Amino acid sequence: QSVLTQPPSVSAAPGQKVTISCSGSSSNIGNNYVSWYQQLPGTAPKVLIYENNKRPSGIPDRFSVSKSGTSATLGITGLQTGDEADYYCLSWDSSLSFGVFGGGTKLTVL
Amino acid sequence: EVYLVESGGGLVKPGGSLRLSCAASGFTFSSYDMTWIRQAPGKGLEWVSGVSASDGRTYYADSVKGRFTISRDNAKNSLYLQMNTLRAEDTAVYYCASSTSPPHWGQGTLVTVSS
Repeated sequence: QSVLTQPPSVSAAPGQKVTISCSGSSSNIGNNYVSWYQQLPGTAPKVLIYENNKRPSGIPDRFSVSKSGTSATLGITGLQTGDEADYYCLSWDSSLSFGVFGGGTKLTVL
Repeated sequence: EVYLVESGGGLVKPGGSLRLSCAASGFTFSSYDMTWIRQAPGKGLEWVSGVSASDGRTYYADSVKGRFTISRDNAKNSLYLQMNTLRAEDTAVYYCASSTSPPHWGQGTLVTVSS
């Protein structure tokens, strides 16, 4: 059972928008940075968002984030079949003194 | 460009030990916190251990505390993970990651704990 809670799966049609939530607490998301990772099948995870809302170069603005209180949400617009992947949120937990991941969300583009 | 290359994975029997290494290049290694993250087959990501750049403090997930030791050698631009008393549930791909902006991950090294 993960400290950060994500929905196990989401799905949407090509071209549509989808959101993936990540729920935590004041000891993690509420007071620490959140980052988001995309893992395509058979590959290493790739950072999509870091320090709450920064995108590495090469990550399109179709990927956006919002953060409110103890939750964060990743939004993906203009869905493409190439977006099918597992998505993970990550934050530091100040009470546990270690990093915590969400359980991951599998995105299916129908 | 930032490169992180893990090595040292392999097959080990339960109760055995293994030392993972991560060779870093393309950034000032001594200035950044470093982390080990793992992924068991078919499972999600798990944060394992981290080491601070500023004061060398180390941090461990409860699942590995007392069995794993993280260390760094800034002169060699290298990160290590000494894994002792290995269990079947430690079987995973182990990634090292840097706290650079943006963060970077290596491609991982597979550790299999099996008799």
